[in-house]
Amino acid sequence: QSVLTQPPSASGTPGQRVTISCSGSTSNIGSKTVNWYQHLPGAAPKLLIYSNNQRPSGVPDRFSGSKSGTSASLAISGLQSEDEADYFCATWDDSLNGLFGGGTKLTVL
Amino acid sequence: EVQLVQSGAEVKKPGESLKISCKGSGYSFTNYWIGWVRQMSGKGLEWMGIIYPGDSDTRYSPSFQGQVTISADKSISTAYLQWSSLKASDTAMYYCARLRKQWLAGVYYYYIDVWGRGTTVTVSS
Repeated sequence: QSVLTQPPSASGTPGQRVTISCSGSTSNIGSKTVNWYQHLPGAAPKLLIYSNNQRPSGVPDRFSGSKSGTSASLAISGLQSEDEADYFCATWDDSLNGLFGGGTKLTVL
Repeated sequence: EVQLVQSGAEVKKPGESLKISCKGSGYSFTNYWIGWVRQMSGKGLEWMGIIYPGDSDTRYSPSFQGQVTISADKSISTAYLQWSSLKASDTAMYYCARLRKQWLAGVYYYYIDVWGRGTTVTVSS
Protein backbone atom coordinates (compact mmCIF):
# COMPACT_ATOMS: atom_id res chain seq x y z
CA GLN A 1 0.00 0.00 0.00
CA SER A 2 1.46 3.33 -1.09
CA VAL A 3 2.08 6.11 1.40
CA LEU A 4 0.57 8.69 -0.93
CA THR A 5 -2.99 8.04 -2.08
CA GLN A 6 -4.11 8.48 -5.66
CA PRO A 7 -7.28 7.38 -7.41
CA PRO A 8 -6.51 4.23 -9.43
CA SER A 9 -8.12 5.60 -12.56
CA ALA A 10 -9.28 8.76 -14.28
CA SER A 11 -10.71 9.49 -17.69
CA GLY A 12 -11.69 12.29 -20.00
CA THR A 13 -12.49 13.08 -23.59
CA PRO A 14 -10.17 14.97 -25.94
CA GLY A 15 -10.08 18.66 -25.11
CA GLN A 16 -11.36 18.19 -21.57
CA ARG A 17 -9.58 19.13 -18.36
CA VAL A 18 -8.87 16.37 -15.89
CA THR A 19 -7.35 16.46 -12.45
CA ILE A 20 -5.57 13.75 -10.50
CA SER A 21 -5.26 14.01 -6.76
CA CYS A 22 -2.51 12.89 -4.39
CA SER A 23 -3.22 12.77 -0.69
CA GLY A 24 -0.71 12.42 2.10
CA SER A 25 -0.06 13.68 5.60
CA THR A 26 1.62 16.50 7.48
CA SER A 27 4.88 14.51 7.58
CA ASN A 28 5.14 14.18 3.81
CA ILE A 29 3.08 16.35 1.46
CA GLY A 30 2.28 18.76 4.25
CA SER A 31 5.94 19.62 4.74
CA LYS A 32 7.63 18.69 1.46
CA THR A 33 7.25 19.54 -2.18
CA VAL A 34 5.31 17.26 -4.53
CA ASN A 35 6.45 16.04 -7.92
CA TRP A 36 4.48 14.43 -10.73
CA TYR A 37 5.54 11.92 -13.34
CA GLN A 38 4.06 10.43 -16.50
CA HIS A 39 4.77 6.79 -17.20
CA LEU A 40 4.08 5.23 -20.55
CA PRO A 41 4.38 1.45 -20.93
CA GLY A 42 7.90 0.39 -21.78
CA ALA A 43 9.32 3.85 -21.32
CA ALA A 44 11.18 5.62 -18.57
CA PRO A 45 8.96 7.73 -16.32
CA LYS A 46 9.03 11.40 -17.27
CA LEU A 47 9.09 14.36 -14.90
CA LEU A 48 6.07 16.60 -15.49
CA ILE A 49 5.96 18.84 -12.42
CA TYR A 50 8.50 19.43 -9.67
CA SER A 51 8.34 21.47 -6.49
CA ASN A 52 4.53 21.46 -6.51
CA ASN A 53 3.99 23.57 -9.59
CA GLN A 54 7.17 23.94 -11.64
CA ARG A 55 7.32 22.60 -15.18
CA PRO A 56 10.63 21.42 -16.62
CA SER A 57 11.48 22.82 -19.99
CA GLY A 58 9.77 20.90 -22.74
CA VAL A 59 6.69 19.98 -20.73
CA PRO A 60 3.60 21.60 -22.29
CA ASP A 61 1.79 24.21 -20.21
CA ARG A 62 -1.31 22.00 -20.46
CA PHE A 63 0.16 20.28 -17.40
CA SER A 64 -0.01 22.12 -14.10
CA GLY A 65 0.40 21.23 -10.45
CA SER A 66 -0.83 22.60 -7.17
CA LYS A 67 -0.63 21.80 -3.48
CA SER A 68 -2.77 22.66 -0.52
CA GLY A 69 -2.12 21.33 2.93
CA THR A 70 -1.63 17.59 2.75
CA SER A 71 -2.96 17.16 -0.79
CA ALA A 72 -1.68 17.91 -4.25
CA SER A 73 -3.21 17.84 -7.70
CA LEU A 74 -2.09 17.45 -11.26
CA ALA A 75 -4.28 19.10 -13.87
CA ILE A 76 -4.18 18.32 -17.57
CA SER A 77 -6.07 20.69 -19.80
CA GLY A 78 -6.84 20.25 -23.48
CA LEU A 79 -6.62 16.48 -23.05
CA GLN A 80 -4.99 14.64 -25.95
CA SER A 81 -4.90 10.98 -26.86
CA GLU A 82 -1.16 10.94 -26.26
CA ASP A 83 -1.78 11.83 -22.61
CA GLU A 84 -3.11 8.33 -21.98
CA ALA A 85 -0.62 6.98 -19.46
CA ASP A 86 -0.01 6.28 -15.79
CA TYR A 87 0.60 9.31 -13.59
CA PHE A 88 2.13 9.21 -10.14
CA CYS A 89 3.07 11.68 -7.46
CA ALA A 90 6.20 11.53 -5.33
CA THR A 91 8.01 13.33 -2.55
CA TRP A 92 11.23 12.82 -0.60
CA ASP A 93 11.83 13.13 3.10
CA ASP A 94 14.89 14.53 4.86
CA SER A 95 16.54 11.10 4.84
CA LEU A 96 16.13 11.02 1.05
CA ASN A 97 13.53 8.26 1.24
CA GLY A 98 11.19 8.45 -1.71
CA LEU A 99 7.45 8.22 -1.13
CA PHE A 100 5.24 7.41 -4.09
CA GLY A 101 1.58 7.46 -4.91
CA GLY A 102 0.07 4.25 -6.21
CA GLY A 103 -0.42 5.74 -9.65
CA THR A 104 -3.45 6.79 -11.65
CA LYS A 105 -4.21 5.27 -15.03
CA LEU A 106 -5.56 8.00 -17.28
CA THR A 107 -7.79 6.91 -20.14
CA VAL A 108 -8.64 9.26 -22.99
CA LEU A 109 -12.08 8.22 -24.18
CA GLU B 1 21.70 14.93 -23.04
CA VAL B 2 21.47 13.49 -19.56
CA GLN B 3 20.86 9.75 -19.71
CA LEU B 4 20.78 6.75 -17.42
CA VAL B 5 21.26 3.53 -19.36
CA GLN B 6 20.38 0.36 -17.53
CA SER B 7 21.59 -3.15 -18.19
CA GLY B 8 19.39 -5.67 -19.96
CA ALA B 9 16.73 -8.03 -18.73
CA GLU B 10 17.78 -10.89 -16.47
CA VAL B 11 16.30 -14.32 -15.87
CA LYS B 12 17.67 -16.08 -12.80
CA LYS B 13 16.94 -19.00 -10.51
CA PRO B 14 16.18 -18.66 -6.80
CA GLY B 15 19.37 -18.55 -4.77
CA GLU B 16 21.48 -17.08 -7.56
CA SER B 17 23.26 -13.76 -7.28
CA LEU B 18 22.75 -10.80 -9.57
CA LYS B 19 24.16 -7.34 -10.15
CA ILE B 20 22.39 -4.89 -12.47
CA SER B 21 23.84 -1.61 -13.61
CA CYS B 22 22.94 1.96 -14.42
CA LYS B 23 25.38 4.08 -16.42
CA GLY B 24 25.08 7.83 -16.32
CA SER B 25 26.14 10.15 -19.12
CA GLY B 26 25.79 13.77 -20.08
CA TYR B 27 26.43 15.14 -16.60
CA SER B 28 28.86 14.99 -13.71
CA PHE B 29 28.04 11.57 -12.28
CA THR B 30 29.71 12.23 -8.94
CA ASN B 31 27.56 15.27 -8.14
CA TYR B 32 24.10 13.70 -8.05
CA TRP B 33 22.44 11.03 -5.94
CA ILE B 34 21.31 7.91 -7.83
CA GLY B 35 18.31 6.03 -6.46
CA TRP B 36 16.81 2.63 -7.17
CA VAL B 37 13.09 1.97 -7.43
CA ARG B 38 11.21 -1.32 -7.63
CA GLN B 39 7.95 -1.92 -9.43
CA MET B 40 6.38 -5.32 -9.10
CA SER B 41 3.89 -6.38 -11.72
CA GLY B 42 0.66 -4.42 -11.39
CA LYS B 43 1.91 -2.57 -8.32
CA GLY B 44 3.13 0.90 -7.46
CA LEU B 45 6.68 2.16 -7.13
CA GLU B 46 8.80 1.37 -4.09
CA TRP B 47 11.87 3.32 -3.05
CA MET B 48 14.79 0.99 -2.38
CA GLY B 49 17.71 3.23 -1.60
CA ILE B 50 20.16 5.77 -2.86
CA ILE B 51 23.88 6.38 -3.34
CA TYR B 52 25.99 9.48 -3.80
CA PRO B 53 28.74 8.38 -6.20
CA GLY B 54 31.02 11.22 -5.13
CA ASP B 55 31.68 9.66 -1.72
CA SER B 56 29.63 6.42 -1.87
CA ASP B 57 27.30 7.61 0.90
CA THR B 58 24.53 5.00 0.70
CA ARG B 59 21.12 4.94 2.35
CA TYR B 60 18.55 2.17 2.26
CA SER B 61 14.82 2.17 2.71
CA PRO B 62 14.05 0.10 5.83
CA SER B 63 12.12 -2.36 3.65
CA PHE B 64 15.20 -3.14 1.60
CA GLN B 65 17.99 -2.82 4.16
CA GLY B 66 19.90 -6.11 4.21
CA GLN B 67 18.07 -7.40 1.13
CA VAL B 68 20.10 -5.66 -1.55
CA THR B 69 23.39 -3.81 -1.93
CA ILE B 70 23.73 -0.51 -3.75
CA SER B 71 27.15 0.54 -4.98
CA ALA B 72 28.79 2.77 -7.55
CA ASP B 73 32.00 2.98 -9.56
CA LYS B 74 32.54 6.64 -10.27
CA SER B 75 35.43 5.90 -12.60
CA ILE B 76 32.95 4.50 -15.10
CA SER B 77 29.91 6.55 -14.03
CA THR B 78 27.95 3.45 -13.12
CA ALA B 79 25.72 2.56 -10.21
CA TYR B 80 24.77 -0.97 -9.25
CA LEU B 81 22.06 -2.88 -7.49
CA GLN B 82 22.88 -6.38 -6.38
CA TRP B 83 21.43 -9.42 -4.69
CA SER B 84 23.42 -12.23 -3.10
CA SER B 85 20.58 -14.74 -3.12
CA LEU B 86 17.54 -14.02 -5.24
CA LYS B 87 14.01 -15.00 -4.33
CA ALA B 88 10.99 -15.38 -6.55
CA SER B 89 9.57 -12.31 -4.84
CA ASP B 90 12.40 -10.24 -6.31
CA THR B 91 10.76 -10.57 -9.71
CA ALA B 92 10.08 -7.00 -10.76
CA MET B 93 11.12 -4.06 -12.88
CA TYR B 94 13.94 -2.03 -11.36
CA TYR B 95 14.55 1.60 -12.24
CA CYS B 96 17.51 3.79 -11.48
CA ALA B 97 16.97 7.51 -11.28
CA ARG B 98 18.89 10.73 -10.68
CA LEU B 99 17.87 12.82 -7.72
CA ARG B 100 18.09 16.58 -7.92
CA LYS B 101 17.77 19.08 -5.14
CA GLN B 102 16.25 22.51 -5.10
CA TRP B 103 16.85 25.24 -2.53
CA LEU B 104 13.58 26.84 -1.53
CA ALA B 105 13.01 29.19 1.37
CA GLY B 106 16.09 28.00 3.18
CA VAL B 107 15.42 24.27 2.75
CA TYR B 108 16.51 21.65 0.24
CA TYR B 109 13.78 19.72 -1.51
CA TYR B 110 14.39 16.75 -3.75
CA TYR B 111 12.95 15.22 -6.89
CA ILE B 112 13.90 12.74 -9.57
CA ASP B 113 14.52 14.48 -12.87
CA VAL B 114 15.86 11.61 -14.98
CA TRP B 115 14.95 7.93 -14.95
CA GLY B 116 16.46 4.90 -16.61
CA ARG B 117 14.20 2.73 -18.73
CA GLY B 118 14.27 -0.07 -16.23
CA THR B 119 15.70 -3.57 -15.95
CA THR B 120 13.34 -6.51 -15.76
CA VAL B 121 14.43 -9.18 -13.32
CA THR B 122 12.66 -12.53 -13.42
CA VAL B 123 13.42 -15.11 -10.76
CA SER B 124 11.95 -18.51 -11.43
CA SER B 125 12.92 -22.10 -10.95
